[in-house]
Amino acid sequence: DGGITQSPKYLFRKEGQNVTLSCEQNLNHDAMYWYRQDPGQGLRLIYYSQIVNDFQKGDIAEGYSVSREKKESFPLTVTSAQKNPTAFYLCASRDALWGSNTEAFFGQGTRLTVV
Amino acid sequence: GQQVMQIPQYQHVQEGEDFTTYCNSSTTLSNIQWYKQRPGGHPVFLIQLVKSGEVKKQKRLTFQFGEAKKNSSLHITATQTTDVGTYFCAGYSAGGTSYGKLTFGQGTILTVHP
Repeated sequence: DGGITQSPKYLFRKEGQNVTLSCEQNLNHDAMYWYRQDPGQGLRLIYYSQIVNDFQKGDIAEGYSVSREKKESFPLTVTSAQKNPTAFYLCASRDALWGSNTEAFFGQGTRLTVV
Repeated sequence: GQQVMQIPQYQHVQEGEDFTTYCNSSTTLSNIQWYKQRPGGHPVFLIQLVKSGEVKKQKRLTFQFGEAKKNSSLHITATQTTDVGTYFCAGYSAGGTSYGKLTFGQGTILTVHP
């Protein structure tokens, strides 16, 4: 089945540790996105990538890092510099033909808890 | 940078009542998209509006795009318990260094009392 997969669904980490969230898509989409969702704050953009080997900071990139070495993968690392990492993280992708604004498809999300 | 604001943050209605959420952008949008997130789920695309003044309907849902392409609304007629969830609007940056950036509003959480 085509889709976008995030793993794991739940993740627990100790404070001060880096953690990497996985996002894989087999939709052949060029663009991929990472959002953070906190109660009452909607979806805030962390990083996005329009093409392999290129990515841009979103609105809340501090304390996060990404890579885009393959078209189908866009892992997000939550570093120890992120002050409040506990949140629900959503990955999305879309078909990004130049000049088109297509719909975004979301993964199931990863709920990260840092203790 | 582009900001997308959405009101109200919460809306509680009795089943059968109507519901409206409003979306406003600080910049002119090339288009506006609407998504729905069920409790415990992930956002799912509902519709996209592209033209100034455009109105689209999906059964009991009516979507509007403002003439200036800076605001939009979603109206649900005669809400049902299946309408429960968070409704988001989202807009793309059309060009420049932020090309492809998809910005979401804060969302409106709708609860429906049977």
